[in-house]
Order: sequence, then C-alpha cells, then structure tokens
Amino acid sequence: GQNIDQPTEMTATEGAIVQINCTYQTSGFNGLFWYQQHAGEAPTFLSYNVLDGLEEKGRFSSFLSRSKGYSYLLLKELQMKDSASYLCAVRDPTGGFKTIFGAGTRLFVKA
Amino acid sequence: GAVVSQHPSWVICKSGTSVKIECRSLDFQATTMFWYRQFPKQSLMLMATSNEGSKATYEQGVEKDKFLINHASLTLSTLTVTSAHPEDSSFYICSATLTGGVDPNQPQHFGDGTRLSIL
Repeated sequence: GQNIDQPTEMTATEGAIVQINCTYQTSGFNGLFWYQQHAGEAPTFLSYNVLDGLEEKGRFSSFLSRSKGYSYLLLKELQMKDSASYLCAVRDPTGGFKTIFGAGTRLFVKA
Repeated sequence: GAVVSQHPSWVICKSGTSVKIECRSLDFQATTMFWYRQFPKQSLMLMATSNEGSKATYEQGVEKDKFLINHASLTLSTLTVTSAHPEDSSFYICSATLTGGVDPNQPQHFGDGTRLSIL
C-alpha cells in the first residue's frame, strides 16, 4: 500500500533549527518533494530529492535515504513566517506518476 | 517559473447547483493536470488525473459522474462539481508539471485553489 508518515505538529523557537521527518512506503519511487502550505492557501514547492543525500537551498535543506524510505526537511534560522504546514510528497511512477502527499506537519514558531 | 492559474478562488452556492472550476497553465503546456481535494487539517487527496484529449483517470472512490473533468487544450482543464451538496464543500486544488509528471526533477506547480462552500 501507499503510506507517508510525518508528525502532526511541531513547535520551535524563532531563530532555532527544526527537523521534520517523513517516512514513506510506496509501490515505486520517482522523487520526494517538500511543500509549504499556509492556512487557506495552495502548497508552494520547497525542495526535492531523487538521489540519496542532502540538498541545501538557503535556509531549507532536505535529506533522502531511499533504502530506509526516509527523508527530513531541515529549517534553519526559523522566522515567524515559517509557521505553516509542511507536506512530504512522493511521486510514484506506477499507475501514472501520481504524487502522494502526507498529511502534513503543522509547525508553530514562537517568539 | 511555471505558473498555474485557478479560477474562481471562492464559491458559495446553494445545494443542487453545479460549479465549474478552471485550471490554466499560463506559461507552459500541460498534457497532464491533477485535481486534489483537501478537507480542513487533512492532506491533499488526489481525485483524478486530467489528460489532454482523452478521458480523465479517477482515483478509487471518486464518482466520475459527480466530478466531471474536461481537458480540451494543453493549457486548460476544468472540474465541474455537478449537483453539489454540503458534503462537497472543500478546498479544491489543481496542479500541473512541465513534463506531465515523468521527470522527477520537475515538481508539481499548484493553482491557488478554490474554496467551495455549499449551503
């Protein structure tokens, strides 16, 4: 079956670093994506990983281990505006390259 | 970057009304578009994959006759919620990729979503 797990909620302090974990079990794998979604808005693309390792993009980094079915999103120098839901998504080539989304992790950044 | 436009952004209508939502790729051609539905505090659930010039592929449990999808051109897909009822109230979002989803280096680009409220 298809399953993507990530924590429901996390709280962190402004200026700190937070790591949001994601584990997945899918029929196939063709890339893992992280999206940010503010309440009432559509998701916006943050990063993707298709090979194992760390991808860095400014304050955001994403890591992938395909053998473990595991990824994390690392947010550095947290800002209040980073309070949002973070969605882990896996593209599965079986059945038409659909992208399957996790339920999202709601991050609360406090002063 | 790739831009996907979705219209309308908000719809409030009476039960029994049919509602059409448009999704356009503004600066690229999209042979494949995706329609999602999201209930509050829940994940995006894929409803169907819209294929230009052919029938849409619906996910299990999604009623084809209830949610009509038309992808008549390479830049436009429409979702029509027919005879909408209060339980259809949700956030509907479309997305598209530059290569129809085949290239893992290309993420999905989302429209701004349509909030549908059925009274």
